[in-house]
This record gives sequence, C-alpha cells and structure tokens, in this order.
Amino acid sequence: RKEVEQDPGPFNVPEGATVAFNCTYSNSASQSFFWYRQDCRKEPKLLMSVYSSGNEDGRFTAQLNRASQYISLLIRDSKLSDSATYLCVVNLAGGGNKLTFGTGTQLKVEL
Amino acid sequence: GAGVSQTPSNKVTEKGKYVELRCDPISGHTALYWYRQSLGQGPEFLIYFQGTGAADDSGLPNDRFFAVRPEGSVSTLKIQRTERGDSAVYLCASSQSGLNNEQFFGPGTRLTVL
Repeated sequence: RKEVEQDPGPFNVPEGATVAFNCTYSNSASQSFFWYRQDCRKEPKLLMSVYSSGNEDGRFTAQLNRASQYISLLIRDSKLSDSATYLCVVNLAGGGNKLTFGTGTQLKVEL
Repeated sequence: GAGVSQTPSNKVTEKGKYVELRCDPISGHTALYWYRQSLGQGPEFLIYFQGTGAADDSGLPNDRFFAVRPEGSVSTLKIQRTERGDSAVYLCASSQSGLNNEQFFGPGTRLTVL
C-alpha cells in the first residue's frame, strides 16, 4: 500500500464548478500535511498547509481528519488557471523534514 | 530574490556513464533536499542535508547514488553507472532550518539515460 494515496484523475470540470480532491495516508504517526500544486513540466509549489481545524485561503479549503487519516482539498469557483496537478503531501513525525508525496490528481478546468 | 537553481536543465547520457547534477539553494537556507520524480508519479525523497552533513539518506536507491554539500550551500548529486531506470526529473529543494518550514523547489534536471 502506498503511504499517500490519491485518485489520479483527470478531473475535467467547467469553469465556475466546485471540485473536491481526497487523499488518504497510511502512517498514523504523520505529523504535518500539505497540498502542493504542480504545473505541467514545472516544479511543485506549496498551495497550502492543512490543519486539523480546517483552513481556508480564498477559493481553497483544506480539511484534515486524523481519525480517518484523510485529507481533502475543495476548490470553489474554479478558474482556467487552476488547471494543474494537485499533490497531497505528508511529513512523518521524526522524519526530519522529509516529505512524502502522493501521485497527484490532475485537474483540467474547461470553458 | 533568486530561487533554487539547478543545472543542467536537461541531461542525456548513455547507459553506464557517470553524471553530476547541481543544485544551488536559496541563500541562507541551511536545509537542502533531493527528490526524484518519474512520469506520472509524485516526487520521491532521496536525501536531506542539514548544513554540510547528510541528515537522512534513506531514499537513495542504491550505492550508485551519492550526494555532497561540502560548504553547506551548493549540492551535487552523483550517479555512477547510470541505468535506463534512472531516467527521471531530479528535483532539489531548500528550506530554512526547523521542522515544517516551506520547501522551495528548483525547476529540476530532466535526466534521460539511453
């Protein structure tokens, strides 16, 4: 079983739609959680950290459920520019700052 | 300011050759990481430096892979006797020291082993 699992997609949605991505992680000792965005043939960039209380940044909302070992990302009012791969990322406790990435979920926002 | 830079951006080599990939981190970042990303996959951790020393090299796949950071700034990833399976994008990231500080990634080196 992979340490971080995501549906690879692609998710094809119309502009303005709301889309949700899910991610599960296998190690209950995981300490920190993130969503990264990666554009085609570019490097990953931090989109947002994920906290147990849930957090929001504009049109983006991230949620963490430690009991279920589940992370989600919700994008509201999606834009063409949101088209990218979204990587779910976990940092194990005691793992230094080593990040474990999921395979990524591809989003395509269409007119 | 300048971000993480990596050279070369592309490297094509033949099976069995030796390659060196260079990473120049953000100035002042003491932590430096190497990851490898294969097509359709997320990046996989290779090695992490805190200053000059390798704090965690558990991701290096075998002894053909080695990395150094002699002065605590620039790092070089070295691959001996390259194999076709080594073909991937090699990503470098840097961060300030301390847990959970954001890692900033470079553009990567795309390695192709023929």
